[in-house]
Amino acid sequence: AQRVTQPEKLLSVFKGAPVELKCNYSYSGSPELFWYVQYSRQRLQLLLRHISRESIKGFTADLNKGETSFHLKKPFAQEEDSAMYYCALRDFSGNTPLVFGKGTRLSVIA
Amino acid sequence: KAGVTQTPRYLIKTRGQQVTLSCSPISGHRSVSWYQQTPGQGLQFLFEYFSETQRNKGNFPGRFSGRQFSNSRSEMNVSTLELGDSALYLCASSLEGLPNNEQFFGPGTRLTVL
Repeated sequence: AQRVTQPEKLLSVFKGAPVELKCNYSYSGSPELFWYVQYSRQRLQLLLRHISRESIKGFTADLNKGETSFHLKKPFAQEEDSAMYYCALRDFSGNTPLVFGKGTRLSVIA
Repeated sequence: KAGVTQTPRYLIKTRGQQVTLSCSPISGHRSVSWYQQTPGQGLQFLFEYFSETQRNKGNFPGRFSGRQFSNSRSEMNVSTLELGDSALYLCASSLEGLPNNEQFFGPGTRLTVL
């Protein structure tokens, strides 16, 4: 079975401080990991995926298969980063549905 | 290119009633997935349709059903509504349902069961 765990429901940081949103997963197959973001009054959208290895809006995430983690990081938080963040997983084949964590609400304090 | 649209945006029903929600995917997208979003459980997968066939199904009771039409539009139906069915129902579409294809989400339908 696939499982995604986001241990923090709420994370508050000051503007300019580093951010790390944690995501751990459990999956016996070959996973594909994602981070989705939902800003206030906007629809859920893809932020980044591990296979692209990109930095989006200053965020990066590295898949650590040994620790089964896919933490989202940003060196300097901005107020506009305040949102709900969801980690998600599916099989690398793309043939299984996305399994989401319960989400972490990030609040960046000015 | 227009995004995923869902209708209606808000719905209020009473226990025991049934409801049908509609999703129009992005033009050209043939895969449509449905999710239930609640504060307690987060996002949970309901089912996925591809070319009018259900390809994957989540762990929901048989009261939840869906279908997809030849134009890729999809509907989901919930019969004999229960209070616990109150949630935001999200639809997502992707180009082919293949690896590396991004899912694009709609704004959701907020269902309230009284």
